[in-house]
Amino acid sequence: NAGVTQTPKFQVLKTGQSMTLQCAQDMNHEYMSWYRQDPGMGLRLIHYSVGAGITDQGEVPNGYNVSRSTTEDFPLRLLSAAPSQTSVYFCASSHRGEGGYTFGSGTRLTVV
Amino acid sequence: AQKITQTQPGMFVQEKEAVTLDCTYDTSDPSYGLFWYKQPSSGEMIFLIYQGSYDQQNATEGRYSLNFQKARKSANLVISASQLGDSAMYFCAMRGLMNYGGSQGNLIFGKGTKLSVKP
Repeated sequence: NAGVTQTPKFQVLKTGQSMTLQCAQDMNHEYMSWYRQDPGMGLRLIHYSVGAGITDQGEVPNGYNVSRSTTEDFPLRLLSAAPSQTSVYFCASSHRGEGGYTFGSGTRLTVV
Repeated sequence: AQKITQTQPGMFVQEKEAVTLDCTYDTSDPSYGLFWYKQPSSGEMIFLIYQGSYDQQNATEGRYSLNFQKARKSANLVISASQLGDSAMYFCAMRGLMNYGGSQGNLIFGKGTKLSVKP
C-alpha cells in the first residue's frame, strides 16, 4: 500500500517555465488537496477535489491549475513559474466525511 | 469560515518535562475533527492525534494527549516526558465531518509551533 505518492521530490525551474507536480493515491480517497508551505505561514490550500471531475479553488489558487480525471490522480500545474511560487508543496488525500488526511512526502520547488 | 490559531511561534522545553502546545479554532460546522501533525526537520507530515467534536473523552496516543475544551474552542496538545526527538514543528488542523463533499471537508491548518527540546 503506497499511500500518497508525489513526484518529483525536488525541482528547480526558471521564471516563466511550466511544469506539473504529480500526485497519486491508491486508497480510493474521494478528497484530494494541494497545499503549499512557506515559512511562518503553515500549510495553505491551493486547490482541492471532492471526486473525479470535480475541482475547486482553495485559499491561494492563482498561478496554478488542477484537474482530476481519475480517482487516483490529482496533478498540479504551474502555468508560468514565478519566484513567489518557491515553496514546499504537499499533496494529501482523505475519505469524504471522516478521518484525517494522508500526506505525500512533499516537493521542494525553487523558481529562479 | 473555519480558522485555526496557534499563538506560540516557538517553545522550549527541558527533556523529560511535559509541554502544552496551544490551539484554538473557529467553525460553524456542527461536526468536526481536530488533528495534530508533527513535521520534523526532514519535512514529512506525521499524524499524531485526532479528536472528534462529539467524542466525550479527550484523545490520547502514547505520550500525546489532546486537551479538548469544546466550549472554549480549544484543542491543546500535551506531550508528556519530552524527548530530544520531539523537536519539530507542530501543526493543529481541523476539518468538517459532514458527509456532503463541500469545502468544509478540507483540512485547514494553523501556522504552527516550533518546539525545541533541551537536553
